[in-house]
Amino acid sequence: GQNIDQPTEMTATEGAIVQINCTYQTSGFNGLFWYQQHAGEAPTFLSYNVLDGLEEKGRFSSFLSRSKGYSYLLLKELQMKDSASYLCAVMDSNYQLIWGAGTKLIIKP
Amino acid sequence: IAGITQAPTSQILAAGRRMTLRCTQDMRHNAMYWYRQDLGLGLRLIHYSNTAGTTGKGEVPDGYSVSRANTDDFPLTLASAVPSQTSVYFCASSDSSGGPHDTQYFGPGTRLTVL
Repeated sequence: GQNIDQPTEMTATEGAIVQINCTYQTSGFNGLFWYQQHAGEAPTFLSYNVLDGLEEKGRFSSFLSRSKGYSYLLLKELQMKDSASYLCAVMDSNYQLIWGAGTKLIIKP
Repeated sequence: IAGITQAPTSQILAAGRRMTLRCTQDMRHNAMYWYRQDLGLGLRLIHYSNTAGTTGKGEVPDGYSVSRANTDDFPLTLASAVPSQTSVYFCASSDSSGGPHDTQYFGPGTRLTVL
């Protein structure tokens, strides 16, 4: 079967750095997406990786290793507004998105 | 800029009733999707449409139907609601027909409770 694993919850301190990991086993691979979802709101797109390596976008970076079936989202200079759930999703061979359950990130002052 | 709108925002429904959730996008995206999101589970695809006039089944299609008469609208119908369909429903769209780098953009969601 297809599976996306990410930690259920993480806690970090304002101003610090946090890394949210995602491992996947899917039938085929056509890219990996990270989305942010604030409580009670819709998911919003953060990043996309299809090649190995690091993609940087401001305070957020996303890394992919296809051989290891692994990705992480790195958030720097954490702000209180970064408190949200972070969803990892992989596009499989049928171009369908397979979603992880999400990681709830709690930022403490 | 509206993007994707969904209606209603929330609804409480008696079991056995029929219900249609509405979704409209103004981005002229080809592909549209319906997901449900339940606590502790990832988003699960119910139905999708790669282009107007075509639809397909996702991971959890039973008890739901969709239609895609035009580019903008993609309604989801529950023919006879059951309590297990209590969930938050998200509509999404993307500007290609399900190809690589096909970023999906989400509507605000409909919170449905079936009693």
